[in-house]
Amino acid sequence: QVQLVQSGAEVKKPGASVKVSCKASGYTFTGYFLHWVRQAPGQGLEWMGWINPNSGGTYYAQRFQGRVSMTRDTSITTGYMELSSLRSDDTAVYYCAREDDDFNYDWGQGTLVTVSS
Amino acid sequence: QSALTQPASVSGSPGQSITISCTGSSSDVGTYKYVSWYQQHPAKAPKLMIYEISNRPSGVPDRFSGSKSGNTASLTISGLQADDEADYYCSSFTSTRARWVFGGGTKLTVL
Repeated sequence: QVQLVQSGAEVKKPGASVKVSCKASGYTFTGYFLHWVRQAPGQGLEWMGWINPNSGGTYYAQRFQGRVSMTRDTSITTGYMELSSLRSDDTAVYYCAREDDDFNYDWGQGTLVTVSS
Repeated sequence: QSALTQPASVSGSPGQSITISCTGSSSDVGTYKYVSWYQQHPAKAPKLMIYEISNRPSGVPDRFSGSKSGNTASLTISGLQADDEADYYCSSFTSTRARWVFGGGTKLTVL
């Protein structure tokens, strides 16, 4: 079965960067897009972007362009989301999600990133 | 500002029915069948309740149903129960480069 296992919680200072990993198993990693979604405390789900693990191609939501980078390592079937120049309002739970053939999604368990001085 | 528009809140009494709307455009809800609904309880990950407009994953009660008309999708919960109190999000495939869009979420209160 499809499993997406994310890295553990992080605490970062303002201005720093964070890199969250998403280890995939149970399917052909390069066959399906991987999306990243975040949810700030008390807020809704916010789509951040996607990576095509086959080509490495990416597309980011405009509000994150220039600060976010999505990459992958096909040898270990893992996707990464790195967010730089962190601010307090980047405190959120970050999810990876695999898009299947019918545009349904399998979600990771989420990674809490706390930005605090 | 979310790509899909949902009411911020809805409420109902136990046993009653409620409907949550999700309005998009011809780039998403209006054209494609790939509309989903998620339930999210506090501090929990989103749980898929409806996919492809009206299909229920295994284990989701048939009290939950989905439909679509034009650019608006709807989630109906009948026979409301206390545990239905949660946030609900719609999402859809989009023909824009994003491929996936969300609604802003609706807080359901069971009175």
